[in-house]
Amino acid sequence: DAKTTQPPSMDCAEGRAANLPCNHSTISGNEYVYWYRQIHSQGPQYIIHGLKNNETNEMASLIITEDRKSSTLILPHATLRDTAVYYCIVRLPPQRDSSYKLIFGSGTRLLVRP
Amino acid sequence: NAGVTQTPKFQVLKTGQSMTLQCAQDMNHEYMSWYRQDPGMGLRLIHYSVGAGITDQGEVPNGYNVSRSTTEDFPLRLLSAAPSQTSVYFCASRGATGNTIYFGEGSWLTVV
Repeated sequence: DAKTTQPPSMDCAEGRAANLPCNHSTISGNEYVYWYRQIHSQGPQYIIHGLKNNETNEMASLIITEDRKSSTLILPHATLRDTAVYYCIVRLPPQRDSSYKLIFGSGTRLLVRP
Repeated sequence: NAGVTQTPKFQVLKTGQSMTLQCAQDMNHEYMSWYRQDPGMGLRLIHYSVGAGITDQGEVPNGYNVSRSTTEDFPLRLLSAAPSQTSVYFCASRGATGNTIYFGEGSWLTVV
């Protein structure tokens, strides 16, 4: 699985967009980008994933660069409840890799300020 | 729908004691796994299972045993607890082709 690099911490104001970057310069053609977050040491929560097209769901948007070497998770209107550690993970989809491994790095600690 | 349920939530063990962390899911998921998380670090995979009767080792399997006799349950056994096993343990599951992995709420284990 490709290694990812994320800033250790970020902050943003409540109501503003939070843009969390991730570098995955060694990503292979079949690997997807997944984002999870962990709030207050609860179990990690799935946010979004993508291969090469930008993706959006009710929680966030994922922007993947054309060369796929980096991506940005966007929380369009951050709330205090979005304060968490955000993990960017690169791996093959389950149909291609049944080993189940999610390689969690240290993530980005996002603090949303009132 | 309970999702992934872990018990106990908190446990204190003495060095050398044994115990089992229980994990159950009610989503009929084939894949289940155990992770541990040490302070300030990301999760590390201990063991995983791709179906009943099938288990395999993850990154940090030493000191832990697992079994998968049913689809619903995936217990994690510590045979002889060591202080290095003080950690938060998370159980997770997903369907065969699902991209979403569902995590339990965690079990806080302290070995003294």
